[in-house]
Amino acid sequence: SAVISQKPSRDICQRGTSLTIQCQVDSQVTMMFWYRQQPGQSLTLIATANQGSEATYESGFVIDKFPISRPNLTFSTLTVSNMSPEDSSIYLCSALAGVPATEAFFGQGTRLTVV
Amino acid sequence: GEDVEQSLFLSVREGDSSVINCTYTDSSSTYLYWYKQEPGAGLQLLTYIFSNMDMKQDQRLTVLLNKKDKHLSLRIADTQTGDSAIYFCAESITGNTPLVFGKGTRLSVIA
Repeated sequence: SAVISQKPSRDICQRGTSLTIQCQVDSQVTMMFWYRQQPGQSLTLIATANQGSEATYESGFVIDKFPISRPNLTFSTLTVSNMSPEDSSIYLCSALAGVPATEAFFGQGTRLTVV
Repeated sequence: GEDVEQSLFLSVREGDSSVINCTYTDSSSTYLYWYKQEPGAGLQLLTYIFSNMDMKQDQRLTVLLNKKDKHLSLRIADTQTGDSAIYFCAESITGNTPLVFGKGTRLSVIA
C-alpha cells in the first residue's frame, strides 16, 4: 500500500491569487494523478503528473491554470493559479502502487474555498 | 468512451445487508474498484477485482462482477452506522492508468 500526505488540508483564498498543494507519498510510485471533486460530485481527473517531464492534462484543464511539478518518484505539487470562486473544490492527489500498479491510493484532499 | 453509473442513494437498517450497484460501459475494463469516502475525508480503497474474477470476498465485503452485463456490486454484510458514507465505483482499463469514477452512492444506515 501507499500512504499519501497532502497539504494544506484546507484553505480560503482571495480571488486572483494562487495556491500550491503538496503531495508526498511514503514510497516510490510510478504514476501520480491530480483530481478535482466539486461539491456533491464525483472525481474528475485534472492531469497525470509525469516524473521528469510535463504533466499530461485532460480535456478542459490547461498548464497555465494548473501547473504541476513532479521532481521525483515520491512528490508532486499542483498549483491553482489566478483563482476564481469557480475553482472552489476539493483537490485530491492519487498514486498507483503495487506490482502491477493497480492499487490507487488517495490523499485526504485539499478543500479550497475562493472568496 | 468510459462511463460508470451508480444509483445516488441507498438507505438500510443497521444489521441488514447493503448492496450497492454499478454499471460500466467499457468492456476493456480490467480492474474495478470500490472506494469509501466519509465526510471531509479522502477516498479509502476498500477492494478491487480483476476482470477475470467473478467474486471477491473480504470480511464483511463481497464484490460480484458480471462481465457480460458490465455490472459490479458491493455487498456489505451486517451494515453498521459507521458504514454510512459515499461509495464510489471506479474502473481502469489497464494498470498504470488513471481511474474513471462513478458519481458515488450515498449510503445511509438507520439505527
